[in-house]
Amino acid sequence: SQTIHQWPATLVQPVGSPLSLECTVEGTSNPNLYWYRQAAGRGLQLLFYSVGIGQISSEVPQNLSASRPQDRQFILSSKKLLLSDSGFYLCASNRNDRGHPYEQYFGPGTRLTVT
Amino acid sequence: AQSVTQLDSQVPVFEEAPVELRCNYSSSVSVYLFWYVQYPNQGLQLLLKYLSGSTLVKGINGFEAEFNKSQTSFHLRKPSVHISDTAEYFCAVSSGAGSYQLTFGKGTKLSVIP
Repeated sequence: SQTIHQWPATLVQPVGSPLSLECTVEGTSNPNLYWYRQAAGRGLQLLFYSVGIGQISSEVPQNLSASRPQDRQFILSSKKLLLSDSGFYLCASNRNDRGHPYEQYFGPGTRLTVT
Repeated sequence: AQSVTQLDSQVPVFEEAPVELRCNYSSSVSVYLFWYVQYPNQGLQLLLKYLSGSTLVKGINGFEAEFNKSQTSFHLRKPSVHISDTAEYFCAVSSGAGSYQLTFGKGTKLSVIP
């Protein structure tokens, strides 16, 4: 099975400051990678997904961006944080095998508070 | 397009009582279904999945779910809950060949009362 690492675990940042959240995956190669945000009472919102190095698809227009510089590394960034960026950010991965809907594995998450 | 509806946002239940968490989906193609559990301030953990075969699926921690194609449902059940089952539960659906994303419901918070 896959293991997902995320850091930092918690982060408190002022409005207007930059952001960088990192996710790395063990136990598989060439995975699909996902960034979700979970706001209180709103379930999971898919932000970005990637099917390979340098390939990023955005699901929601916002001031966040994602990058995949290595096969098993996924980074979520922002140049200037907004209050509305506060939430619990989850990284997930599954097998990159079109036609086989394998389950997603999730990391432990990063709690971001923008003040 | 596919969607998932979890009919109850919160479910309180007494310890050792049975529980059912409801999930309905809509999809124009065949689906694959999942239930995840999330404990406070943690990531999601897979409870069980339905890909094909028997419509009754057994998962971890004594949970099971039944796929009902005619009613487009995938309800989660446990015959006797424990305090440690207090968590949020998410139902998710993936459509057939060519798709690799999951669509999640908004979650159901299960509170087990001692």
